[in-house]
Amino acid sequence: DAKTTQPNSMESNEEEPVHLPCNHSTISGTDYIHWYRQLPSQGPEYVIHGLTSNVNNRMASLAIAEDRKSSTLILHRATLRDAAVYYCILSGGYQKVTFGIGTKLQVIP
Amino acid sequence: GAVVSQHPSRVICKSGTSVKIECRSLDFQATTMFWYRQFPKQSLMLMATSNEGSKATYEQGVEKDKFLINHASLTLSTLTVTSAHPEDSSFYICSASRDSQTDTQYFGPGTRLTVL
Repeated sequence: DAKTTQPNSMESNEEEPVHLPCNHSTISGTDYIHWYRQLPSQGPEYVIHGLTSNVNNRMASLAIAEDRKSSTLILHRATLRDAAVYYCILSGGYQKVTFGIGTKLQVIP
Repeated sequence: GAVVSQHPSRVICKSGTSVKIECRSLDFQATTMFWYRQFPKQSLMLMATSNEGSKATYEQGVEKDKFLINHASLTLSTLTVTSAHPEDSSFYICSASRDSQTDTQYFGPGTRLTVL
């Protein structure tokens, strides 16, 4: 199983940018980097994914290191609704997906 | 697009009874569906992976005779917890993928099962 490591928790002030890091040193060439987030008592929500190039969507940006061994999820302006557990996952090509404990993001008003 | 529903959202049952949970992809056809279980303050644990028309692939330690998975169509998968016991009480979450290359998953809202 391709695994990722993330900090257990992070804090951010409201309306400031947040950079959530993820290390995936054993990533293979066919692995896509996915980010999901989960609010309490809800199913996870898809945030963004990428392979090699940086990606932007309406929710966030994904910056992928040139060697692909790490990535950073960027929330440009954190809001209270962004407080959640963020999971960085490698998947693709029928590989088993493993969820770690993720990063619990606290947004301070 | 990419909406996944689950029903019921919450169920309470007596020990020894069976409970069926439905997972539907509402606006896309899912090549693969996944079933997870999540205990309080823990991460998601993959239980099984299923493809339409095929038998589900169960993760190690998950009893296939206890957790019956039926993937009858490209938009519907069901999980039946047979002879439920209090230790089966958990948050069950399904997800669906429409792209086998990326395996991007779209998750349902989850089902809270409480076995008395």
